[in-house]
Amino acid sequence: AQKVTQAQTEISVVEKEDVTLDCVYETRDTTYYLFWYKQPPSGELVFLIRRNSFDEQNEISGRYSWNFQKSTSSFNFTITASQVVDSAVYFCALSEAGGGATNKLIFGTGTLLAVQP
Amino acid sequence: DVKVTQSSRYLVKRTGEKVFLECVQDMDHENMFWYRQDPGLGLRLIYFSYDVKMKEKGDIPEGYSVSREKKERFSLILESASTNQTSMYLCASSRGSVSGNTIYFGEGSWLTVV
Repeated sequence: AQKVTQAQTEISVVEKEDVTLDCVYETRDTTYYLFWYKQPPSGELVFLIRRNSFDEQNEISGRYSWNFQKSTSSFNFTITASQVVDSAVYFCALSEAGGGATNKLIFGTGTLLAVQP
Repeated sequence: DVKVTQSSRYLVKRTGEKVFLECVQDMDHENMFWYRQDPGLGLRLIYFSYDVKMKEKGDIPEGYSVSREKKERFSLILESASTNQTSMYLCASSRGSVSGNTIYFGEGSWLTVV
């Protein structure tokens, strides 16, 4: 069965610290897609990144980086030099190719990141 | 810019009322979704639609129905609202041609049933 686990419920850091948000997934599909979304206090889920199961290259976008490891079924997200504006709930999500073109997402329970000034 | 718009950000309804949550997307997406978000449970799929007038149940469809009469609009209906339906509701959309397409979300609707 498919599942996404974000074991960290809440993380609190001080500005400029680096922080890593963990995501572990379960799926039987060989083709799947992983996503990270950010949900600021306003409520909207903002898309951050999409990764397919055949691309294990790590990705960096500014202060954000993602580490995808199929061997451990993990897709971790690191924020370097965190800022107060990074405070939000972050969701990891999985979409299986076996789900067809309907692209249903299975979400983790989210990690609340609080960055203190 | 992609845009998913939910008509109401905050609603307060009474138990037993019929409630409509409206969602419009301007990206010509085939797929549309309604999720419910509750603390500690993440987002759970209520219903989705992959075409006009087509719908499929998600993980928690009980107590809800949906309507998709036009491609850009997807409505969530609570036939008789109950207090356990107090929650944040998120609408989303994606292209439907292949799997794994990015899903884009609206700002959410906070519903309180009293």
